[in-house]
Amino acid sequence: DAMVIQNPRYQVTQFGKPVTLSCSQTLNHNVMYWYQQKSSQAPKLLFHYYDKDFNNEADTPDNFQSRRPNTSFCFLDIRSPGLGDAAMYLCATSVGGKAQHFGDGTRLSIL
Amino acid sequence: AQSVTQLDSQVPVFEEAPVELRCNYSSSVSVYLFWYVQYPNQGLQLLLKYLSGSTLVKGINGFEAEFNKSQTSFHLRKPSVHISDTAEYFCAVSELRSTWGSSNYKLTFGKGTLLTVNP
Repeated sequence: DAMVIQNPRYQVTQFGKPVTLSCSQTLNHNVMYWYQQKSSQAPKLLFHYYDKDFNNEADTPDNFQSRRPNTSFCFLDIRSPGLGDAAMYLCATSVGGKAQHFGDGTRLSIL
Repeated sequence: AQSVTQLDSQVPVFEEAPVELRCNYSSSVSVYLFWYVQYPNQGLQLLLKYLSGSTLVKGINGFEAEFNKSQTSFHLRKPSVHISDTAEYFCAVSELRSTWGSSNYKLTFGKGTLLTVNP
């Protein structure tokens, strides 16, 4: 089945140690998104790619970066994770403004 | 700017009872509307969507929703719930704009409603 795959499902890193989360899709969708979701909250959009065009949300910290080397893959880099960055990170894809399809997420813990 | 209000943060119901989860939105332009479900430690799964056409939309797992433009609502309903329906439900909207831009495909989520189905 076509899908959005996030690896790993659980990631533990140390305070200040860079970490990369990955997302791949077999849907061939042109838009890819990264969300941060904290406990009992709605997902918060960090940034998205429309094809190769990167769109950062105004309130996304500089600590968060992203790369999209091709249509299928997108990465979230956190340069110096702080305790406040512990959260579920969700990747999603869409075709234009239609429904977004989400992966199962990566739960990030900071020691 | 668009906004979404989910009027109930928690809805407890008994198994086999009907349920309605309420969602209201505000927007100055036409919108697409969505309901997503999230089970613990999982991503969001699309339940149903309204893009155009019939205002009564049927989705997966026996859920349906009705788009009411005059009341700017998109309430989710199920006639008989199961224990397995226990989850967080998010209503979301994306605006349609005449000029193409990044706002065309950004979702605004409500804060979510936790549906708890008790035996």
